[in-house]
Amino acid sequence: EAQVTQNPRYLITVTGKKLTVTCSQNMNHEYMSWYRQDPGLGLRQIYYSMNVEVTDKGDVPEGYKVSRKEKRNFPLILESPSPNQTSLYFCASSPLAKNIQYFGAGTRLSVL
Amino acid sequence: AQKITQTQPGMFVQEKEAVTLDCTYDTSDPSYGLFWYKQPSSGEMIFLIYQGSYDQQNATEGRYSLNFQKARKSANLVISASQLGDSAMYFCAMRPPLGAGGTSYGKLTFGQGTILTVHP
Repeated sequence: EAQVTQNPRYLITVTGKKLTVTCSQNMNHEYMSWYRQDPGLGLRQIYYSMNVEVTDKGDVPEGYKVSRKEKRNFPLILESPSPNQTSLYFCASSPLAKNIQYFGAGTRLSVL
Repeated sequence: AQKITQTQPGMFVQEKEAVTLDCTYDTSDPSYGLFWYKQPSSGEMIFLIYQGSYDQQNATEGRYSLNFQKARKSANLVISASQLGDSAMYFCAMRPPLGAGGTSYGKLTFGQGTILTVHP
């Protein structure tokens, strides 16, 4: 089944404790992206990647890192999480020439 | 820079009626793509419809149509014959065109969303 898989789905952590949210897609898509969703703000793009080893900042990249060493994986790294990074995070992928993005189920992160 | 504005925080519609969700955008790019996504209470993001700025006709997908008015910079979503299952959050989004240069094609901007409630 074609899908974008995020793990974990739910995470509660404490300030400063490094964490990684994984994202994997099995559709051989070139493009992958991370978003955060906050009430009243919609979805805001954190980072995106057009292909392996090609990443670029979205609108809210501060406090986040990403890497794209393999086509299927695009992990989101929070080196030192802070409470303002408490949010719902989505990973998405798409073929470069297509207009549909496929979203993962989301990761709800709480930073205490 | 691109900007998407959805001015309706919430909308109500009677089942079987049509409803229009507003979306206005701002961009200096001569071409761009516009999207609508649905987010039910379960949380997943579901792609609904896409409109390219140079498409001659308004996009339609089943009960969804996009009322694209380029001069007014609006891309409203029209849902015909509303169903209870249409109750959800709806997001409008835009992206630079394929071939925009560099990696800017990957930059996607979303609006704040509109919560639609369908009453029986």
